[in-house]
Amino acid sequence: DAGVIQSPRHEVTEMGQEVTLRCKPISGHNSLFWYRQTMMRGLELLIYFNNNVPIDDSGMPEDRFSAKMPNASFSTLKIQPSEPRDSAVYFCASSLLGQNTGELFFGEGSRLTVL
Amino acid sequence: AQSVAQPEDQVNVAEGNPLTVKCTYSVSGNPYLFWYVQYPNRGLQFLLKYITGDNLVKGSYGFEAEFNKSQTSFHLKKPSALVSDSALYFCAVRPYYGNNRLAFGKGNQVVVIP
Repeated sequence: DAGVIQSPRHEVTEMGQEVTLRCKPISGHNSLFWYRQTMMRGLELLIYFNNNVPIDDSGMPEDRFSAKMPNASFSTLKIQPSEPRDSAVYFCASSLLGQNTGELFFGEGSRLTVL
Repeated sequence: AQSVAQPEDQVNVAEGNPLTVKCTYSVSGNPYLFWYVQYPNRGLQFLLKYITGDNLVKGSYGFEAEFNKSQTSFHLKKPSALVSDSALYFCAVRPYYGNNRLAFGKGNQVVVIP
């Protein structure tokens, strides 16, 4: 099993640019989570999907952030326009809804730096 | 909403000594509890979980955790720490019934001193 795959691993961009982060969950998993990790705020849940449907997006910081899951094998997190305070490591995780244990499998993360 | 408290920022321990990382939680109803470990520049890796049954749970790399319902705690332990155990450790909780949203603590940096 390839695990959760995220791309890019590193992204450096300038303020105002659009950033798109990508995630491929583990095959067969039907829940997908986007987290953001910073030194100041720790690990924050941004949004999660069950069966490709967004369930809770209350953690999305503001309208500049959007996430989609067009099918069971792909999700994107977009920031437009990006700002320096968006600099963080963004993690995608997946799990199997119905297994009822909630164990998450994390990708290696996308480190975003906004200059 | 569920939440986790990890009161210590950093835990320092000498190699070979017992290691304990503390966690308390708040959740409606019975909890599912988890520990994850994060090595530098890596994603979080699952260590162990408590679902039901025996309060002492054994996991990967010689770690174990004890569920204490009356104290709402789920402390992580290892009898003899290794230098390679130096990492960031996260406790997490979700309710037994209801949403599958996992709430994480802020994490504890563990430093094992040779």
